[in-house]
Amino acid sequence: AQTVTQSQPEMSVQEAETVTLSCTYDTSESDYYLFWYKQPPSRQMILVIRQEAYKQQNATENRFSVNFQKAAKSFSLKISDSQLGDAAMYFCAYRSDTSGTYKYIFGTGTRLKVLA
Amino acid sequence: NAGVTQTPKFRVLKTGQSMTLLCAQDMNHEYMYWYRQDPGMGLRLIHYSVGEGTTAKGEVPDGYNVSRLKKQNFLLGLESAAPSQTSVYFCASKRGFYAYNEQFFGPGTRLTVL
Repeated sequence: AQTVTQSQPEMSVQEAETVTLSCTYDTSESDYYLFWYKQPPSRQMILVIRQEAYKQQNATENRFSVNFQKAAKSFSLKISDSQLGDAAMYFCAYRSDTSGTYKYIFGTGTRLKVLA
Repeated sequence: NAGVTQTPKFRVLKTGQSMTLLCAQDMNHEYMYWYRQDPGMGLRLIHYSVGEGTTAKGEVPDGYNVSRLKKQNFLLGLESAAPSQTSVYFCASKRGFYAYNEQFFGPGTRLTVL
């Protein structure tokens, strides 16, 4: 069975600085997707970024980028130029791309605090 | 588009009572999911549906039932609520099977069972 581990329950970053959130996963599959979701205090989950396992190039979305290390099964999220609005819970998630598998596996989350 | 909406936003039940949570989406999505979120445990899948009239069990289905009579609605039922079902419940939908289809979440329902 696949697992997703976020070992940092909480992180802090100074406004305008860079922070990296860690995520490791375990799977025997070769085709899958990885995601980072943001959950602000409003509770609504928002997709931040996704990475296809078959792509070697790391995904980027504006100030958000990932460091995807397939062999190490590591998928970290880097937030550059942190803003107060980035404060939220961040969840790493795994989704198999194997036919017949529909579910997402979520990590336990990392709470990010942004200090003014 | 309203996206994914959930009704109600908050609810308090007594042990043994029943209730139904409604999830509605206006994006014509095929797939719909019900998750629960508990402190320190992330999101866990309760049930899901891959189309109108279909449902399937997820990771933690015990104590819940679901129905998908209309494509746009996915109902989650608790027949006899227990304190262990105190949680925040999220509904999500996505267009189709492929993982690159984004999963859209509702705002959540906070349920307390006394």
